[in-house]
Amino acid sequence: NAGVTQTPKFRILKIGQSMTLQCTQDMNHNYMYWYRQDPGMGLKLIYYSVGAGITDKGEVPNGYNVSRSTTEDFPLRLELAAPSQTSVYFCASRTRGGRTGELFFGEGSRLTVL
Amino acid sequence: DQQVKQNSPSLSVQEGRISILNCDYTNSMFDYFLWYKKYPAEGPTFLISISSIKDKNEDGRFTVFLNKSAKHLSLHIVPSQPGDSAVYFCAATPGANSKLTFGKGITLSVRP
Repeated sequence: NAGVTQTPKFRILKIGQSMTLQCTQDMNHNYMYWYRQDPGMGLKLIYYSVGAGITDKGEVPNGYNVSRSTTEDFPLRLELAAPSQTSVYFCASRTRGGRTGELFFGEGSRLTVL
Repeated sequence: DQQVKQNSPSLSVQEGRISILNCDYTNSMFDYFLWYKKYPAEGPTFLISISSIKDKNEDGRFTVFLNKSAKHLSLHIVPSQPGDSAVYFCAATPGANSKLTFGKGITLSVRP
């Protein structure tokens, strides 16, 4: 059981470049989330989805886009990368009706923008 | 405006002793509280939770205490083990289908 899988694990981008962080889960979870963690800070919610075709903004959505065409996949798109987007990105999922607040996280994707 | 606060960035304890990790919150709508544990180069994993209708929840060596009047919760680890060395995040949510708000985390080091 793979759980939540994120790719790539590491990436260096130049300012202005674009890229997509991939996230897929094999647990048939309805809810999926993208968080970013900056050094010494907690996890900030970027975008989330309650099911295929439905997405919504979190606390820090600027500079990002998401899509949810299938239950399994929830890619995060960075357009025109900026140094402020240097961070570790975590994808997470949970099932509807599961233990309240219990998220299953991927291992993270470390992004550096130079 | 931080709604979930973990004011101590780090804690070091001797193996076998008790670790007490503290968390404060400001949002009275929070109804459910959780602790996540994170090892380096891994994603956070759920550790233990507590509903606002309780003041204590225990799971093996881990116990979470909730003081609603003080808007304070704590995680007790007894006895502490070197494998408990990790970052611990406190999180809160107003309800089952609501989003989590995380604290900044506290780095626990358990010395052998």
